[in-house]
Amino acid sequence: DQQVKQNSPSLSVQEGRISILNCDYTNSMFDYFLWYKKYPAEGPTFLISISSIKDKNEDGRFTVFLNKSAKHLSLHIVPSQPGDSAVYFCAASVYGGSQGNLIFGKGTKLSVKP
Amino acid sequence: DTGVSQNPRHKITKRGQNVTFRCDPISEHNRLYWYRQTLGQGPEFLTYFQNEAQLEKSRLLSDRFSAERPKGSFSTLEIQRTEQGDSAMYLCASRRVGTGGNSPLHFGNGTRLTVT
Repeated sequence: DQQVKQNSPSLSVQEGRISILNCDYTNSMFDYFLWYKKYPAEGPTFLISISSIKDKNEDGRFTVFLNKSAKHLSLHIVPSQPGDSAVYFCAASVYGGSQGNLIFGKGTKLSVKP
Repeated sequence: DTGVSQNPRHKITKRGQNVTFRCDPISEHNRLYWYRQTLGQGPEFLTYFQNEAQLEKSRLLSDRFSAERPKGSFSTLEIQRTEQGDSAMYLCASRRVGTGGNSPLHFGNGTRLTVT
């Protein structure tokens, strides 16, 4: 059973607009969440993370929101750029991420059109 | 920071053969992880090392899979008697964990295994 779910396999957005990628989780023990970006033929690259003691974390154009009661997090990219086109993976872990064995979702492929 | 290096990038083997993959982590990273990614799925955790000690290996997919990190630097992942279902991307990642803080996982570009 998938503990981390990304229900949208793909998302298409116009350049300059906001991209919103969603992620749901089922395990209430998760206390650390991350987003990774993956280009073809490359490994995943860390983007941004959030601890369960926060509900928002921002880094430049990227903001992650966490709603613990709904077991839902989202990644906002504003403004979206063509170079953001990639597969985005949501990941979660326990123990504050100290162990590093992350549980990943299946990914959402983002296409940003010029 | 030269990044996590994995070799080979691609491996094609016949069913029943043994294969070994190598991972060279970022030099100052003390933890090393192996993940597997199949088509349409996210990476799946297999095992990890703290220096040379293998701290978690219960997620290795079967007893045909084994990993080593003999000197706490590079690591190898071996699959014995390969099966077609082993075809996947094998990803290595590393990170620094310690009193100075924890870094996120840095992934290599993976080894793509095809079993014919």
